[in-house]
Amino acid sequence: DAGVIQSPRHEVTEMGQEVTLRCKPISGHDYLFWYRQTMMRGLELLIYFNNNVPIDDSGMPEDRFSAKMPNASFSTLKIQPSEPRDSAVYFCASSFPGDFWDYNEQFFGPGTRLTVL
Amino acid sequence: AQKVTQAQTEISVVEKEDVTLDCVYETRDTTYYLFWYKQPPSGELVFLIRRNSFDEQNEISGRYSWNFQKSTSSFNFTITASQVVDSAVYFCALSGAEGAQKLVFGQGTRLTINP
Repeated sequence: DAGVIQSPRHEVTEMGQEVTLRCKPISGHDYLFWYRQTMMRGLELLIYFNNNVPIDDSGMPEDRFSAKMPNASFSTLKIQPSEPRDSAVYFCASSFPGDFWDYNEQFFGPGTRLTVL
Repeated sequence: AQKVTQAQTEISVVEKEDVTLDCVYETRDTTYYLFWYKQPPSGELVFLIRRNSFDEQNEISGRYSWNFQKSTSSFNFTITASQVVDSAVYFCALSGAEGAQKLVFGQGTRLTINP
């Protein structure tokens, strides 16, 4: 079975441009997570969805960031306008269904390395 | 607020040595989960283990073992007879009352196993 799929794997853009990162979770998983990894801040949870509904977006840094999950097999993370400080590796992860207090292993994608010049 | 501290930024050992990665956590929640993830050079994170706050039993899985001590708020990870393939960044993480899914990660420990 395919794992979590992210595209693009690398993105280089100029400051002010819109960036869209894409994620396809593992089929049957109903939790989807977006993380950001930087040297300075480490690995941070930005937002997560359950059954396509955003549950917690408290990690989204500012209004320039938005995430959507239009269906169970696709999610996007958009940055508009992008800034150099947004440069990071963005990971998408998914996990099996569970209750609020169930923790099921999160399966991570390979990440998208974003560079904003 | 929850916090995870991995004081060891980098560790380098020679193959076959035992190595322990430290993890200290802070939380006010009485129910919480602790985790370890591995990030190999390929980049994606791989789940290793989960522990809930009511289960202080140590766990062994092959060459890997974990020591959970609530008294010292620690959840340390030991690799016995290390191998070059163990080289990776290892993250300790915590989730609590905001939901088991919401992980707070430590800064990670970069482990290098030299042949």
